[in-house]
Amino acid sequence: DTEVTQTPKHLVMGMTNKKSLKCEQHMGHRAMYWYKQKAKKPPELMFVYSYEKLSINESVPSRFSPECPNSSLLNLHLHALQPEDSALYLCASSRGQGLYEQYFGPGTRLTVT
Amino acid sequence: DQQVKQNSPSLSVQEGRISILNCDYTNSMFDYFLWYKKYPAEGPTFLISISSIKDKNEDGRFTVFLNKSAKHLSLHIVPSQPGDSAVYFCAGGAGSYQLTFGKGTKLSVIP
Repeated sequence: DTEVTQTPKHLVMGMTNKKSLKCEQHMGHRAMYWYKQKAKKPPELMFVYSYEKLSINESVPSRFSPECPNSSLLNLHLHALQPEDSALYLCASSRGQGLYEQYFGPGTRLTVT
Repeated sequence: DQQVKQNSPSLSVQEGRISILNCDYTNSMFDYFLWYKKYPAEGPTFLISISSIKDKNEDGRFTVFLNKSAKHLSLHIVPSQPGDSAVYFCAGGAGSYQLTFGKGTKLSVIP
């Protein structure tokens, strides 16, 4: 099973809303990632969790708040977003330390109105 | 500064022929490279990888070649099939968790 699942698939939210994106994997991977991808651009790393601890934050604005409740789950809490935050948000996981292949979920298409 | 460059935004190939996708990098610290394939409205799918200690890795119809002195890698798909039509991303990594992706090349395989 090399599946990473993400919910919801699509999300439309206003600038004053609070919402959360969810990601789950059952491959026993110990590293999980959030990426943001705009149209016709490569994925851009936002956060990395290793063994459920935040290890990399790529200077992401505080209106994005990641959470890793356990080794299988990764959340991204959203609050007071801007229209320019509209993008495809991708979750990925990998076996752990070092460079192992990252497996991506299908993404959540977020639109901020 | 773009550390990973895919200079061809698109490529069209006839079914059955070879597709060659190219990628150049500038970061000499990269020691691991991956290719991902992405269909519209889906996340990237891992395709094949290569460590910097190798110059070739093969998996079925897919072969990745690495030329470290030229800081260049390429993905060969033989024979190309219509289902291979997608955007292909090259990514480099340097021992941390962080992958740096190129902008992608859209491959169209014409039946």
